[in-house]
Amino acid sequence: AQSVAQPEDQVNVAEGNPLTVKCTYSVSGNPYLFWYVQYPNRGLQFLLKYITGDNLVKGSYGFEAEFNKSQTSFHLKKPSALVSDSALYFCAVRDGAGKSTFGDGTTLTVKP
Amino acid sequence: SAVISQKPSRDICQRGTSLTIQCQVDSQVTMMFWYRQQPGQSLTLIATANQGSEATYESGFVIDKFPISRPNLTFSTLTVSNMSPEDSSIYLCSVGNRNQPQHFGDGTRLSIL
Repeated sequence: AQSVAQPEDQVNVAEGNPLTVKCTYSVSGNPYLFWYVQYPNRGLQFLLKYITGDNLVKGSYGFEAEFNKSQTSFHLKKPSALVSDSALYFCAVRDGAGKSTFGDGTTLTVKP
Repeated sequence: SAVISQKPSRDICQRGTSLTIQCQVDSQVTMMFWYRQQPGQSLTLIATANQGSEATYESGFVIDKFPISRPNLTFSTLTVSNMSPEDSSIYLCSVGNRNQPQHFGDGTRLSIL
């Protein structure tokens, strides 16, 4: 069975500082990894994905994620945080049948 | 990317009644999913609804309680039957084929009195 762990319920950063939201996964076979963001009263929005290829994946709104196979991690990063980045972030792994397993989510708060 | 319209956006219902949630997609998609989410928490998959086949329900969810229709590649409905306060939640429709990102509707916020 596949699983995803987001060890931090909350991440607080100051605007302009770099941010990292952590994710580790467990899956048999090749991982299909995704990051999503959820704003209040909205559905999840896709940020970026790792299927194969370069370990550093670039996505929407300046976000990027680093795939580390040995550490089974897929941390989300951004060099300079914005107040508007404040939201709930989900890491997800998708199996070959197309079923996703989501982490518990991390609330990111960026303070001015 | 697919655009999903989900209706209603919210509702307040009496216990014992049923509500049908509609999910309309602007393009044809094979795989469609229904999730439940408590505010600020993770998503729980209710069922996978692929066109042309019966919906596949996850453990803890049954067809009598959550009947699903998938008449074509752009539309699906989820009915929450015989509702109780424990059914108060956010219900999300999502689409996305294998290895591709999922796209989500904005959800239906359901409160049961």
